[in-house]
Amino acid sequence: DTAVSQTPKYLVTQMGNDKSIKCEQNLGHDTMYWYKQDSKKFLKIMFSYNNKELIINETVPNRFSPKSPDKAHLNLHINSLELGDSAVYFCASSQYLASSYNEQFFGPGTRLTVL
Amino acid sequence: AQTVTQSQPEMSVQEAETVTLSCTYDTSESNYYLFWYKQPPSRQMILVIRQEAYKQQNATENRFSVNFQKAAKSFSLKISDSQLGDTAMYFCAFMGTSGTYKYIFGTGTRLKVLA
Repeated sequence: DTAVSQTPKYLVTQMGNDKSIKCEQNLGHDTMYWYKQDSKKFLKIMFSYNNKELIINETVPNRFSPKSPDKAHLNLHINSLELGDSAVYFCASSQYLASSYNEQFFGPGTRLTVL
Repeated sequence: AQTVTQSQPEMSVQEAETVTLSCTYDTSESNYYLFWYKQPPSRQMILVIRQEAYKQQNATENRFSVNFQKAAKSFSLKISDSQLGDTAMYFCAFMGTSGTYKYIFGTGTRLKVLA
């Protein structure tokens, strides 16, 4: 069973389009995250949700909108895609937000290519 | 603001040898957590080892161990008996315990194990 899954794994689209990436975790975790990994492999947090509440919003352009319909899902919607949005996007989850054992479990990543 | 520095962009090691990856960080917090994650070519991020700052004893997980020097703010990863499957990007991560408990990642070290 996949612990953290993302769909799609690859996404190729044109500039200006709107797209969504879905994430689901079956670990029963309270907290979920979105990260962006650029072409130099630098990994930076974008958002985190705890029990469906937005906790972290790291000065991401407002074209990016996370949505958490329930604790097990955190989707990322991106409007008006730009060339600079090309990256690998990782979803992750952890059991609690503030825990001494805050291991994060990562999904397989979604490689987004904007043409 | 916390920062994490990995000064070795690339390293290589012969199979069965030992290699040490370095990580330094900057923080004013006294309690925090440190992690090493591995990202093989498959892209999947996998936790290798964690260290809690209030524990003086260095963490070990089979062939992986850390040298945690709190005063020097250093957290290096030692891989013993290197195997071909250890070939991956390795990321050091810091998590503070005041505020949002977010991960700050280093820029990564690409490790290649040579046959």
